[in-house]
Amino acid sequence: EVQLVESGGDLVQPGGSLRLSCAASGFTFRTYSMNWVRQAPGKGLEWVSYVSSSGNTIYYVDSVKGRFTISRDNARNSLYLQMNSLRDEDTAVYYCARHNTHGSTTYFDYWGQGTLVTVSS
Amino acid sequence: DIQMTQSPSSLSASVRDRITITCRASQSISSSLNWYQQMPGKAPNLLIYAASNLQTGVPSRFSGSGSGTDFTLTISSLQPEDFATYYCQQTYSAPWTFGQGTKVEIK
Repeated sequence: EVQLVESGGDLVQPGGSLRLSCAASGFTFRTYSMNWVRQAPGKGLEWVSYVSSSGNTIYYVDSVKGRFTISRDNARNSLYLQMNSLRDEDTAVYYCARHNTHGSTTYFDYWGQGTLVTVSS
Repeated sequence: DIQMTQSPSSLSASVRDRITITCRASQSISSSLNWYQQMPGKAPNLLIYAASNLQTGVPSRFSGSGSGTDFTLTISSLQPEDFATYYCQQTYSAPWTFGQGTKVEIK
């Protein structure tokens, strides 16, 4: 059974840092690209970042570029999101999601339960 | 960035109703369109990928269609467990953007 379990969410002051983790199991982690997606309270879904299976290709949404860093450890079956210079608007539930492909299209087929990041003084 | 617009933003329907949700992209995205269902307090769940492909385990009352800029999600006979929020997502080009969501409520 595919499982993704996020951790690391917390209350942090503006300007602070936090590192999220996502532990993967039930599939061959090193062969799949992964994503972080967030959802602010009462709002919709926002894709945040992508990392390829090897870690060589990385994308970010513009609002987090230069502040967030996605990484992975295939030996530990883990995905990470280092978040620096946090802002109030980064407050959200953060989900990790597996990236899958169908021909030339892609989709997010498994999601973790999410971890809450609250940025507030 | 590609903008995704869903309509309606919310709808009220009864069990066994047929409902359709529309998603429009700001530019052509071929068939790179996915649909997700989200229950309150839960993670999103993939329903349809590549516009019309039913994810394994998803009931056949869900279907998707469209290509280019206009897409639809149809639930042929609404069941009590289908009352949720539905999101479309384009994966044609990064950043992979979602629609604003459609909340399906009980009439």
